[in-house]
Amino acid sequence: AQSVAQPEDQVNVAEGNPLTVKCTYSVSGNPYLFWYVQYPNRGLQFLLKYITGDNLVKGSYGFEAEFNKSQTSFHLKKPSALVSDSALYFCAVSALSGNTGKLIFGQGTTLQVKP
Amino acid sequence: NAGVTQTPKFQVLKTGQSMTLQCAQDMNHEYMSWYRQDPGMGLRLIHYSVGAGITDQGEVPNGYNVSRSTTEDFPLRLLSAAPSQTSVYFCASRSNRGVNEKLFFGSGTQLSVL
Repeated sequence: AQSVAQPEDQVNVAEGNPLTVKCTYSVSGNPYLFWYVQYPNRGLQFLLKYITGDNLVKGSYGFEAEFNKSQTSFHLKKPSALVSDSALYFCAVSALSGNTGKLIFGQGTTLQVKP
Repeated sequence: NAGVTQTPKFQVLKTGQSMTLQCAQDMNHEYMSWYRQDPGMGLRLIHYSVGAGITDQGEVPNGYNVSRSTTEDFPLRLLSAAPSQTSVYFCASRSNRGVNEKLFFGSGTQLSVL
């Protein structure tokens, strides 16, 4: 069975510092990996995805993520955090291709960026 | 485009009452789905549909019914609400090109069952 884990409930970082939000996954086969962000009282928004190819994926709002197959990780990163990045971040994984593959979400990590 | 529209935004029910959460999308997406979000548990898939007339169960389908009579609409029905169904519900859609396509989410329905 596929699963995804976000080991930190909350990450605190000062504005201007680099940030990392961690994600590890477990699947049989090649994974499709996603990051979504949720701002207060809003639905989730797509940030980026890894399907195949280059292990470093760039996404919206200056975020990027690195796929590491040996460590089964897909950590979200940003070189310089902004206060407006404060939100709830979800990692998601699917190992099944085709239209009926289901996306499994992690429990979410709250990112708090302080001025 | 309005994207994915959910109604209502908030709802309070008594145990045993029924209601329907509405979801509509105007992006001509064939794939639509319902998730519930609970603290510390992330999002869990309730039901999904790959096109009009086709529905299937997700991880947590018990207590919920769905139907898909049109491409645009995918309502979620609670036939007899229970306190365990207190949650935030999200509808999401994507193209039918595959699971590697991104999901578009509605703004959610916050449901409390007393």
